[in-house]
Amino acid sequence: NAGVTQTPKFRVLKTGQSMTLLCAQDMNHEYMYWYRQDPGMGLRLIHYSVGEGTTAKGEVPDGYNVSRLKKQNFLLGLESAAPSQTSVYFCASGAGVGYEQYFGPGTRLTVT
Amino acid sequence: DAKTTQPPSMDCAEGRAANLPCNHSTISGNEYVYWYRQIHSQGPQYIIHGLKNNETNEMASLIITEDRKSSTLILPHATLRDTAVYYCIVRPLYNFNKFYFGSGTKLNVKP
Repeated sequence: NAGVTQTPKFRVLKTGQSMTLLCAQDMNHEYMYWYRQDPGMGLRLIHYSVGEGTTAKGEVPDGYNVSRLKKQNFLLGLESAAPSQTSVYFCASGAGVGYEQYFGPGTRLTVT
Repeated sequence: DAKTTQPPSMDCAEGRAANLPCNHSTISGNEYVYWYRQIHSQGPQYIIHGLKNNETNEMASLIITEDRKSSTLILPHATLRDTAVYYCIVRPLYNFNKFYFGSGTKLNVKP
């Protein structure tokens, strides 16, 4: 099993450009999450999904959109990137409430 | 929401037990204690979690005080590969947004 994979691993964007981060899991988990990690801020939840076709806002959803068209995939979109979105983005999946979350290796995004 | 306090760093000799403390004096009755670690910018890795009883798995043991205001993560035989930042997190079971990782403890395992 590959677990949780993220694409791409690194990306540099110019302000105003758009991009999509892909997260894939092969553990048949219902729940999937997108976090961002910034120095001194710990991990903050952006959006999450409790099943195929469902999404919900987390703590810091502004400037991001998500989609969960297939159970195994969770996409994070930035429609118009801003320098404040420079961060490391982690995707995670879990079997359900109370279960541990499995994290991907992260995507390092720089917006200039 | 309960927040946690952890020492910023600790050292441990290889092969010895590593005891990582966490203070969560404002924990509520429905909040669990979770431990994760992050090895050099990799994705966080789940270690263990508990509510009020002590827990043990293949990776570690979790000791929660009777008043639940603090806990200790124990790695029984630390190896160099256990060098990482360890996060103690307190959150309600049914609240996805309340998953604050905080600053954690950098554990340095030395040969």
